[in-house]
Amino acid sequence: EAGVTQFPSHSVIEKGQTVTLRCDPISGHDNLYWYRRVMGKEIKFLLHFVKESKQDESGMPNNRFLAERTGGTYSTLKVQPAELEDSGVYFCASSPTRTEQYFGPGTRLTVL
Amino acid sequence: AQSVTQPDIHITVSEGASLELRCNYSYGATPYLFWYVQSPGQGLQLLLKYFSGDTLVQGIKGFEAEFKRSQSSFNLRKPSVHWSDAAEYFCAVAPHNTDKLIFGTGTRLQVFP
Repeated sequence: EAGVTQFPSHSVIEKGQTVTLRCDPISGHDNLYWYRRVMGKEIKFLLHFVKESKQDESGMPNNRFLAERTGGTYSTLKVQPAELEDSGVYFCASSPTRTEQYFGPGTRLTVL
Repeated sequence: AQSVTQPDIHITVSEGASLELRCNYSYGATPYLFWYVQSPGQGLQLLLKYFSGDTLVQGIKGFEAEFKRSQSSFNLRKPSVHWSDAAEYFCAVAPHNTDKLIFGTGTRLQVFP
């Protein structure tokens, strides 16, 4: 069974540019989560999808971040325009239930 | 506010030595408790979890954790560390009324031969 995949693995962009991160969950997992780890800090929750609906987006930092989940399958997280403080590792996780989350390898975003 | 504290940022042990990684949480009730490990270039892998019942939980790779309600702790242990255990370890909690995981800042484990 394929795990959670994320693309790209690394992204380096300049301040003001737009970046889109993609997450493909494990097939059949209705729950999809995004988290972020800023350098040296804890991993923080961003949002939770159940199928294509946003269940909880309380962790989204501001309106420069837009998450979508097309047809309840893959998800994208767009940052527009990117700021320096957006640098970090963005993790995606998926879950068939609400009790165990399977994480992808993360996308390392560097904003210069 | 709910929080998780991992007081040790970096731990170094010799291969074959025992290991204990500390985790304390702040939450009104007993949340769901987890330990994850991240090896270089890999995603977070679930080592073990506690929901209820027996307070000593066995996980993968020979790890175990003990939930102590009186201390709000969920420490991770391994009796004999292998070089392949070198990684970063994260304690996390999930309050019962939400799916979001609340993580500690992580403990990086280095293993010397």
